[in-house]
Amino acid sequence: SQKIEQNSEALNIQEGKTATLTCNYTNYSPAYLQWYRQDPGRGPVFLLLIRENEKEKRKERLKVTFDTTLKQSLFHITASQPADSATYLCALPSGRAAGKSTFGDGTTLTVKP
Amino acid sequence: SAVISQKPSRDICQRGTSLTIQCQVDSQVTMMFWYRQQPGQSLTLIATANQGSEATYESGFVIDKFPISRPNLTFSTLTVSNMSPEDSSIYLCSVDREHEQFFGPGTRLTVL
Repeated sequence: SQKIEQNSEALNIQEGKTATLTCNYTNYSPAYLQWYRQDPGRGPVFLLLIRENEKEKRKERLKVTFDTTLKQSLFHITASQPADSATYLCALPSGRAAGKSTFGDGTTLTVKP
Repeated sequence: SAVISQKPSRDICQRGTSLTIQCQVDSQVTMMFWYRQQPGQSLTLIATANQGSEATYESGFVIDKFPISRPNLTFSTLTVSNMSPEDSSIYLCSVDREHEQFFGPGTRLTVL
């Protein structure tokens, strides 16, 4: 089965800086990889999906890269704001059935003003 | 997108009792997914609920402990049976829309 590792449980940065979160996986290369945001007491919210044939994807201040050789995805938040403080999860499909996902443990980002 | 509601939002239960969690989706879906998130940990898939057939359980989860119903294409229930403190967790249902998963707000269960 797929194993996912996300860098450090907690990441603290100063407002305005770029936050970089790492997601490494083992075993097979997935067809796509997802990133979610989770706030305390809430369910995860989908942010971005990147497919295996895409090197990079952007959405507003978010950028995701996907390196299938390194088996790694990087998630960047540029010009970070205190409102970006949350736990960020990466997820990979865990089978043929759409919707079945394996989630990493998440990285808790704190952006200090 | 999909809007998902869950009931109850939280509950405190006694050891040995059972709790049924409801999940309602605002549109018809073929599959609904039930996840568990234990304190400080990530999400673990419990089972996939298909309408009109038995749920498919992941390794480590069994129907006797987590029976699931799926009476129609917009609704599902998960029961946590014969609860113990180890079942204290957040339970989430989700649906998939073109590889984007939408989650309900979760049910926070505390077992004493």
